[in-house]
Amino acid sequence: DTEVTQTPKHLVMGMTNKKSLKCEQHMGHRAMYWYKQKAKKPPELMFVYSYEKLSINESVPSRFSPECPNSSLLNLHLHALQPEDSALYLCASSRGLADTDTQYFGPGTRLTVL
Amino acid sequence: GDSVTQMEGPVTLSEEAFLTINCTYTATGYPSLFWYVQYPGEGLQLLLKATKADDKGSNKGFEATYRKETTSFHLEKGSVQVSDSAVYFCALKGNAGKSTFGDGTTLTVKP
Repeated sequence: DTEVTQTPKHLVMGMTNKKSLKCEQHMGHRAMYWYKQKAKKPPELMFVYSYEKLSINESVPSRFSPECPNSSLLNLHLHALQPEDSALYLCASSRGLADTDTQYFGPGTRLTVL
Repeated sequence: GDSVTQMEGPVTLSEEAFLTINCTYTATGYPSLFWYVQYPGEGLQLLLKATKADDKGSNKGFEATYRKETTSFHLEKGSVQVSDSAVYFCALKGNAGKSTFGDGTTLTVKP
């Protein structure tokens, strides 16, 4: 089983709202990732977690706040977003951080900020 | 830093035509190389991978060979189907978990 699940599938929020995206995997992977993908563009890395600790933050604005409560779960908390933050948010996981460790992606959450 | 350059699209082929999507890379060290496919409204699916020079990755009729001498990882398929219509991303992954993606190539296969 190579499944990464993400909820919700779609989310519409106003600029003053607080919402969260959820990602889950049960493959025993110890690395998890958040990516942002705009239309017709490649995914852009936002955060990397390894063994539940933040390993990489790609200078993401503080209105995005990641959380890794356990090895299977990754959240992305959203607050005071801007319309330009509208995008597909992809979660991925891999066994570890080595170059040979394949990333498996979830289906994404389509976020619209009004 | 690392970079991946993909053949510009879009690419339009007739069913059963031969497909090549070019991918070249620049990297420090010895990354692993991947091809991902993305269907409309979905996430990225791993298509194939190669982890060292001269490795050939293959899956569902697609193939790509890791060529260190030309820093390339071109994707090929002998006979495309309408169901292969999607966006294809070439990517490299170094240690520390960072992946670098190409800009993507949109493939449309017509019956």
